[in-house]
Amino acid sequence: DTGVSQDPRHKITKRGQNVTFRCDPISEHNRLYWYRQTLGQGPEFLTYFQNEAQLEKSRLLSDRFSAERPKGSFSTLEIQRTEQGDSAMYLCASSLKYTQYFGPGTRLTVL
Amino acid sequence: GQQVMQIPQYQHVQEGEDFTTYCNSSTTLSNIQWYKQRPGGHPVFLIQLVKSGEVKKQKRLTFQFGEAKKNSSLHITATQTTDVGTYFCAADNNAGNMLTFGGGTRLMVKP
Repeated sequence: DTGVSQDPRHKITKRGQNVTFRCDPISEHNRLYWYRQTLGQGPEFLTYFQNEAQLEKSRLLSDRFSAERPKGSFSTLEIQRTEQGDSAMYLCASSLKYTQYFGPGTRLTVL
Repeated sequence: GQQVMQIPQYQHVQEGEDFTTYCNSSTTLSNIQWYKQRPGGHPVFLIQLVKSGEVKKQKRLTFQFGEAKKNSSLHITATQTTDVGTYFCAADNNAGNMLTFGGGTRLMVKP
């Protein structure tokens, strides 16, 4: 158990609906990351927070995706108007410096 | 952007045989990290290599970082069924705020 928790663990939604995922990092970690992983691939970076500031965003993160970390602790990732191509595992990770500790992920299925 | 290539994609071995996965980059890396992801699980940090030519061991696992810091390898001696999973190398962007993962090598061990 790495200490990073994610909720929900699974989400099934219909195309066009909005979904929101939550990540609770390891408590003393100031850095938080979101990744997306599809079957048979490595995780792909989406975005990075240091404390409450969003410092890095991938080009993969379309306008339909938004992430927040309002108090520098937990983070949320929202996907608006979901598409079937958004189906993936969404992983959150946290770190103090360089070593990233991953949560169990939220598996999203868009029907 | 930064890319890391990993080979092979898959490897079947008989229990007790050795296993090696290779990671290559066209650019010099500041460091390389290795992760293991069990089937149905999330990536778990194994090790970070920073110095040119560095070799680190963890029990039956040996990690190497190339002299030019453009390649790395993970070697497992005498595989066991508990070694089953996908092994990923990952390079950070020097600022420590995002990881670029290789495609992973999926290891299957026949008892």
